[in-house]
Formats: sequence, C-alpha cells, structure tokens
Amino acid sequence: GAGVSQTPSNKVTEKGKYVELRCDPISGHTALYWYRQSLGQGPEFLIYFQGTGAADDSGLPNDRFFAVRPEGSVSTLKIQRTERGDSAVYLCASSSTPGAGYTFGSGTRLTVV
Amino acid sequence: DAKTTQPPSMDCAEGRAANLPCNHSTISGNEYVYWYRQIHSQGPQYIIHGLKNNETNEMASLIITEDRKSSTLILPHATLRDTAVYYCIVRPAQGGSEKLVFGKGTKLTVNP
Repeated sequence: GAGVSQTPSNKVTEKGKYVELRCDPISGHTALYWYRQSLGQGPEFLIYFQGTGAADDSGLPNDRFFAVRPEGSVSTLKIQRTERGDSAVYLCASSSTPGAGYTFGSGTRLTVV
Repeated sequence: DAKTTQPPSMDCAEGRAANLPCNHSTISGNEYVYWYRQIHSQGPQYIIHGLKNNETNEMASLIITEDRKSSTLILPHATLRDTAVYYCIVRPAQGGSEKLVFGKGTKLTVNP
C-alpha cells in the first residue's frame, strides 16, 4: 500500500481483556517500529523489528506486552490483561533502511474502561 | 530521555517564515538531527535530517550550527496547515539504537 496501515483505528476494551493491534507497513520496508503516545506527550518507543526479529524490545513496559512479525511484513502488538493505564494511541512506523526517515501510520486509539 | 530542548510553543503569521529552534548540546559526532511533525490526530511525519551541513528539501530547511550544539528548522512560508507539534530528535544514523526518542516538541500555531 501507499502508507502504513493500522487497524483498528479505535478500540475500546474492558479492563483485564486481551487485545491485538495490527500494523501493515509499507511494502518492502524491513524495519518496523511500535510507539505509544499518551495525551500531551511525545511518542514513546516500545519495540523495533528488523525483518522478523525484534532487534530492540527495551521499550516494552512489562511482560503483558508482546509483539510479533512472523513473515517480516505485518506486525501485531498484543496486550494481555489490559489496565486503564494502557489507554493511549499506539503508533506503528516503518522504514526502508536504518537511518532513513520513518513513515508512521495514523495509530490505534486504545481505551481501557 | 530526550537529548534535545525545544520551546513548548511558538506562533507564526501565515505567509511568514517559521524558525523553530532546538538545543542539543550533548550531541555526539555520529548523531544526526532529525525533525518530525505531528498534526492533530495523525501520526508523526518525517520532515528532514542532517549531520553537519545545512539541508533543504521541499518541506523545510535545516540549519545546524558549526559546533552542532543547536539547530533551526525553517518553514519558509508557513501556511495554516503547518500548525502542528514539531519534534527535534538526535539519533545515530547507524550502528546504534534505531529508536527515535521524542520529547514534548514545540507546538507551532500558524495564525491567519
């Protein structure tokens, strides 16, 4: 596709439930990044994939968060036992090579009630 | 933590140049300066990046001081659509962490 696609655009879930957020990067982009953004703050790094492998997952806040990219294209961010503090906009970005500018998607707004 | 300092907000008149400053006094020799912007309810958008020399593209110009401790992003003829939060980020081009560390940025408001 022409850009980075994230689905769903909005997700409301109950505290304690499991959610999956999907990212379709630009075709051919080997690098994929997940960020989350709380109101009034800049995006906060979560995890970076180079191909299928997670090259840097230092930003994942705890073991309730997990991400996969099994075929080196689409990625899924998985959050178990959601908490109200997980409410944020989750952003995905991709780039063709390290050091190149990222292209971000429009994000998934997650609300945990 | 973000390695840059930016003013929290700025105003600019439509049609005038917007000059957004950024301090990065602890920048290392292999770190580039990147600029992104985020329009309300959208993901951040890449604008420009540079190492030492000034850079220009269709969106903006980037002026980096000789000692590399600060830079200025210039939007030569600001329009209402340039109202956004602008983020200045330093990051190694390669060989280091690939992540971008965002601060709070500068909220630029372009007024008619």
